[in-house]
Amino acid sequence: DIVMTQSPDSLAVSLGERATINCKSSQSVLFSSNNKNYLAWYQQKPGQPPRLLISLASTRASGVPDRFSGSGSETDFTLTISSLQAEDVAVYYCQQYYNSWTFGQGTKVEIK
Amino acid sequence: QVTLRESGPALVKPTQTLTLTCTFSGFSLSAPKMCVSWVRQSPGKALEWLALIDWLDDKDYKTSLKTRLSISKDTSKNQVVLTMTNMDPVDTATYYCARLDYLHGMDVWGLGTTVTVSS
Repeated sequence: DIVMTQSPDSLAVSLGERATINCKSSQSVLFSSNNKNYLAWYQQKPGQPPRLLISLASTRASGVPDRFSGSGSETDFTLTISSLQAEDVAVYYCQQYYNSWTFGQGTKVEIK
Repeated sequence: QVTLRESGPALVKPTQTLTLTCTFSGFSLSAPKMCVSWVRQSPGKALEWLALIDWLDDKDYKTSLKTRLSISKDTSKNQVVLTMTNMDPVDTATYYCARLDYLHGMDVWGLGTTVTVSS
């Protein structure tokens, strides 16, 4: 099974500052036939189900603010929140879907 | 509007079989590329993918739980059923179903149903 490892486990960022979350997969999730990375990011606020933010490593889901962006390829990926807002306090998960489906352990984002 | 709703028992005893139902609307599981997945989350823990079923009735299971899980669909009722055998207290969790797209991930989720395993 592909193992997803996120870093850090938690981070505190001032309002308006940048937040960066990393995700590393134990093997490449790049599908060579279409050159797409099968990597998604989800946001989960307390007491709520997860919400899809980004798929294919960098494609924002419908309705997701453009302060959220995803980057990376093969085994190393990043979710960036360019200007942290109060409503962005949540746990963020990466997920690979190249070979079955596995989530990372989550990164908790708080306000400093 | 796509919605999904999970239902099932809130409490099961150890060794019992859990049966959860996901009832959805706004899409058809007979339409190409449509899938439904189950994900669980133990208290204070990370998300854990469990199983999926697609429009062709193909199924996939988390490797370590494969012997305990079974997923099925009733397209006419817009329902997907997950069964998990031999329940244990470590299976206490909130269980979510989600619409899944092989290209774009899990784009719509239910609110989840909480299951406690205790004698």
